[in-house]
Amino acid sequence: NAGVTQTPKFRILKIGQSMTLQCTQDMNHNYMYWYRQDPGMGLKLIYYSVGAGITDKGEVPNGYNVSRSTTEDFPLRLELAAPSQTSVYFCASSYSQAMNTEAFFGQGTRLTVV
Amino acid sequence: AQSVTQLGSHVSVSEGALVLLRCNYSSSVPPYLFWYVQYPNQGLQLLLKYTSAATLVKGINGFEAEFKKSETSFHLTKPSAHMSDAAEYFCAVFYSSASKIIFGSGTRLSIRP
Repeated sequence: NAGVTQTPKFRILKIGQSMTLQCTQDMNHNYMYWYRQDPGMGLKLIYYSVGAGITDKGEVPNGYNVSRSTTEDFPLRLELAAPSQTSVYFCASSYSQAMNTEAFFGQGTRLTVV
Repeated sequence: AQSVTQLGSHVSVSEGALVLLRCNYSSSVPPYLFWYVQYPNQGLQLLLKYTSAATLVKGINGFEAEFKKSETSFHLTKPSAHMSDAAEYFCAVFYSSASKIIFGSGTRLSIRP
């Protein structure tokens, strides 16, 4: 059981470049999330999705876009990379049922924008 | 507003001492509460969760947390710290009204020999 898989693990981007962070889960979870983690700031929610075809903004959505065409995949797109987007990005998924809402996390993508 | 507050960004205890990590949340309805642990360069791993079945929740690695509705708190404890407990700990809340999980800013736990 792979759980939540993120690719790539590391990436260096130049300012203005674009890239897509991939996330896929094999647990048939309805809910999926993208967080960014900056030192001392905890995890900030970028975007989330409650099911295929449905996405919504989190706390820090500016500069990012997402799509959810399937239950399994939830890619995060950076169109014009900026140094402020240097961070560690985590994808997570969970069931929607009340008793099983804990999130399962991928291993993270460490992104540096120079 | 939905928020999760962890008091103390860094806690240091001696090996064998009590560990207490604090978490308070804002919610007008009983939430679903979680503690996660993150070891260096790794993702987050669930330690324990509260889902209204019992106010005292036991998790992995000897950790437990108590839900106190009157104090809107969900503090994490462990009676005797071990060197392997050194990590970052995050409190999180699932807000069903908004269908999302909000995390606290984290507490880095250091263990002194």
